[in-house]
Parts: sequence; structure tokens; C-alpha cells
Amino acid sequence: DQQVKQNSPSLSVQEGRISILNCDYTNSMFDYFLWYKKYPAEGPTFLISISSIKDKNEDGRFTVFLNKSAKHLSLHIVPSQPGDSAVYFCAASEEGNFGNEKLTFGTGTRLTIIP
Amino acid sequence: DTEVTQTPKHLVMGMTNKKSLKCEQHMGHRAMYWYKQKAKKPPELMFVYSYEKLSINESVPSRFSPECPNSSLLNLHLHALQPEDSALYLCASSKNRDPLNEQFFGPGTRLTVL
Repeated sequence: DQQVKQNSPSLSVQEGRISILNCDYTNSMFDYFLWYKKYPAEGPTFLISISSIKDKNEDGRFTVFLNKSAKHLSLHIVPSQPGDSAVYFCAASEEGNFGNEKLTFGTGTRLTIIP
Repeated sequence: DTEVTQTPKHLVMGMTNKKSLKCEQHMGHRAMYWYKQKAKKPPELMFVYSYEKLSINESVPSRFSPECPNSSLLNLHLHALQPEDSALYLCASSKNRDPLNEQFFGPGTRLTVL
């Protein structure tokens, strides 16, 4: 049972344009969401997060949007740069719920930025 | 130092071997994690240690035995593994178990069981 889903296994975007990565979740107990970026032969690197009390969080070129009613979040990268080419994982957890702090990861989306 | 290191980077072992994976961090983090990642799958949590005590075991078979000898080190002892245990094993650490604290991941150990 995949509780966090990333339905697009891959995405190609022209350099300078906007990259939009999507993530859906089914567990209504999730209330904290994170995006991780992973290069080959490296562990995932934290990118940006959002708590369910917000619907948007922005950090430089990265913005995460959360639609709680649709159980959907998205990561926007603008402008996209060649160094953004990586696999992006969406992850979810239950905020402040000690004992249930495990991260549940999505299956990942491979983003390729075309120069 | 904001790095989580893992050794070895690659490991090939037979089903009767005993080996250990090591993870180290010097960020003063008190929560440490083992994840398993199969090809084209997301990382899956195996164990969580909090203040050197095992807090979560995600129903992992006993052929995987974690150990946290001190606050900086996390080991994963392997014995009598199966070929299907071949995967990337990722270690992570965070300030504490609060989910709001970012988890820092190491580069992983790629394990092949023959």
C-alpha cells in the first residue's frame, strides 16, 4: 500500500522554465511534508518542507504548495537549472507525533533539465 | 561538520557471511536511522535509535541486527542474508525524533548478497 505516490516517474524540462513535481498521499494523519533530492551515488538531501497549517512555503527557487483537501502537494522550481537534474522524493510524516515520526517516501520523479 | 558517513561504500557477501555496515555523524544528533532502498523504489525505514536506544523496529528480520554503541555511531550487523536483501542501505540522523527536524542522509552502502 503506497501511502505517498508520485505518479510521474520522469519529467524533462527546458533550462530556465518551471519544473512542477507532483505528489499525492492517502493517509489523512500525515501533516508534515518534505521534498528530498537525490543524485546518483549520494543519499537524499533535504530540500524544503511544509506543515499542514500552511498551504505554501517558499525558499529561493523552490516553492512547495499543499492542498490538504485534495491530499496533494507540488514542488515548483523556477527557473530550472541543469544542476537540478536529480531524482526528487516526496516524503510525509505525522508532525509532533513521537513514536510515529517515520518518513514515508514516494517512489520518486527523475527530473532532467535540458540545456 | 554536517556530514553523515557510511562505510563501506560497496559490499558483496555470501549468504553464510557475517558483515557489518557502519554509520557515523558528528553533528550531535541524537536520533539515527537505517533505511533500505531497492532499485527504483523509495527508501523504507528499518530502525530508529533515539538517545542510543532502539525506538522503532519496522518488523525487520532478525538477520539484520542494529547497534548504537554511542551517540555518533550506528552499526548494522548482517548475518545469513538472502539475495533479496541486496539493496542500498542508507543511514540518516536528525537532531532528535521530532519529525520537524530534517534528516541528514549518508551516501549509502550498496550491498550485494550472492
